[in-house]
Parts: sequence; C-alpha cells; structure tokens
Amino acid sequence: QVQLQESGPGLVKPSETLSLTCTVSGGSVSGYHWNWIRQAPGKGLEWIGYIYYSGSGSTNYNPSLKSRLTISVDTSKNQFSLKLSSVTAADTAVYYCARNPQWYNPFDYWGQGTLVTVSS
Amino acid sequence: DIQMTQSPSSLSASVGDRVTITCRASESISSYLNWYQQKPGKAPNLLIYSVSSLQSGVPSRFSGSGSGTDFTLTISSLQPEDFAIYYCQQTYTIPQTFGQGTKLEI
Repeated sequence: QVQLQESGPGLVKPSETLSLTCTVSGGSVSGYHWNWIRQAPGKGLEWIGYIYYSGSGSTNYNPSLKSRLTISVDTSKNQFSLKLSSVTAADTAVYYCARNPQWYNPFDYWGQGTLVTVSS
Repeated sequence: DIQMTQSPSSLSASVGDRVTITCRASESISSYLNWYQQKPGKAPNLLIYSVSSLQSGVPSRFSGSGSGTDFTLTISSLQPEDFAIYYCQQTYTIPQTFGQGTKLEI
C-alpha cells in the first residue's frame, strides 16, 4: 500500500521560501507523477505542480505559481520536494502531496496534508 | 485555465435521500472528469474517475455521468458517512482545476 507523508516547517515568514518534502513508502517514485496541491483555510483545492521521474525528472507547474516554484525528486530517499519562494499570507494553506500514474489521471494516493502558515 | 463550476455550493439532505451535484466546465473536457469526497481535516478521497468509473472500495450508491462540459455526481441513498464536501476535477489540460466544492449537510 502506497503511503505519502508531508513534512516541513509549519510557519514561514513573509518573503522567505516555503520548503516541504513528501516521503513515499510502499512504492517507488519512479514511473509516476508526483504532485503538490494546496487548500487555503476554508477554500477549495489548487493544483500546484508535478514532477515525473523515469530516469530523469520532468516538471509541470501551475502558471500562476511558476515563477516562484521548484519541485524536485530525490530517488535515493524516495522523496520529492516543493520550494515556493517569496511567500505571502496568500500562500497560507494545507499542502498535500499526491500521486497519479499519468498527468491526466486522477490522484489516487494522497498525503494527510500539512498546514503552512505565512506570518511574521 | 478551464473553470469548473459546481452547483449547488451547499445542499441540505437527509439520510436515505437521493442527491445530485452538478459540475460544469468552461470548455469541453471530454471524459477527463473526476470526483472527490473530503471530510473535515482529511485529504480528498477519489470516488469516481473518467466521469463514471467507480474507484475501488467506493460504495455503489455513488455514480457519475455526463460528457463534454456537463457532469453529475449522484448518491442514490445518502448514508450518515456521506455528509462531506464534494469536488469535481478536470484533468484534460494543465493546469488541472477543481470545482469550488459542494458541501453536503444534514
């Protein structure tokens, strides 16, 4: 059974970089698309981006976040990561990691989510 | 971006009721439409993919239909555990987008 677990700081200061990691267990990061999705308090779901690893990593980002976003993978640790720079209060949200086999497939496995608050 | 609009935004119903939630896309998304259920403090859970395919383990009282731009999620007989927020999602193009959610309340 595939399991995903997000980890990272719960509090980030404005203008700094938000960094999160998703650890994958019960399966390999190779051959799947690994996504980040966020949900602002009381709001809906926003897809952030994905990385696909099969020998090399390819990424696709939400254009609304692309200039501030980096998603990477560490196959040795079976993890993938999110870095979002120059954060503001608008980036406060629960951040989820999730998997889909192809980018056009639904998300079949999700992490439990981690709340990141942007505040000084 | 493709806009996904759900209606209603909230819905009050009773155990045993049949309910339908609608999702409309701003342009055709073929059959790339999925439905999720989210309970408080939890990650969304996939219910239906590709318009009408039931995810493994999901009760058969859930069903989906539609094509092109108009889609529906139907729960044939509400159970107490079905009270949650439901989201549609299109995976036809990047960025994938979600509806704003429908809160199903007792």
